[in-house]
Amino acid sequence: GAGVSQSPRYKVTKRGQDVALRCDPISGHVSLYWYRQALGQGPEFLTYFNYEAQQDKSGLPNDRFSAERPEGSISTLTIQRTEQRDSAMYRCASSPTSGTTGELFFGEGSRLTVL
Amino acid sequence: TQLLEQSPQFLSIQEGENLTVYCNSSSVFSSLQWYRQEPGEGPVLLVTVVTGGEVKKLKRLTFQFGDARKDSSLHITAAQPGDTGLYLCAVAGGTSYGKLTFGQGTILTVHP
Repeated sequence: GAGVSQSPRYKVTKRGQDVALRCDPISGHVSLYWYRQALGQGPEFLTYFNYEAQQDKSGLPNDRFSAERPEGSISTLTIQRTEQRDSAMYRCASSPTSGTTGELFFGEGSRLTVL
Repeated sequence: TQLLEQSPQFLSIQEGENLTVYCNSSSVFSSLQWYRQEPGEGPVLLVTVVTGGEVKKLKRLTFQFGDARKDSSLHITAAQPGDTGLYLCAVAGGTSYGKLTFGQGTILTVHP
């Protein structure tokens, strides 16, 4: 596809379960970012990768959240032992370059609901 | 305290009206971006402003960066229903331009 693809688009899970959210960036894009967005609010930075290296994970709320991008392409955001407060839209974005200038291309997001 | 304060939070207007959205901060930034997010979609970059006092135009949208590079505004002329969406300002932090801090956004609804 031409854009950033995320799956699943919707995920409903019970409290305590683990979830894995997948992001397939635009082909050839170097950098990949994960954000979390509450309804009607701006996205909140979680973590980002250049190629397969995680450069910054300062936005991950706690150690239940982790992310990987083992081959420098597809990335997975994993939330262990989910809690109701984890319910949100999780957005992935990619960019063709790393560094100090450029544009982010966002995916349509994965909406997580924890019951 | 939010790094970026956007106002108003909600705006509901009739087609053809003009509007201005504001993004303010007490911090100085090297650049600032504006995004529009339509319902069910991800944010899409509209513009990046980098110079104090800079004015950029994108069809009916006019973006201005404050002289002191602490604030910015977005003005829409003759709004149309297709302008409906969430408007977000954002600034980059750290060594990556993609590590963005967003304002809380302005939800704009333009009624036909």
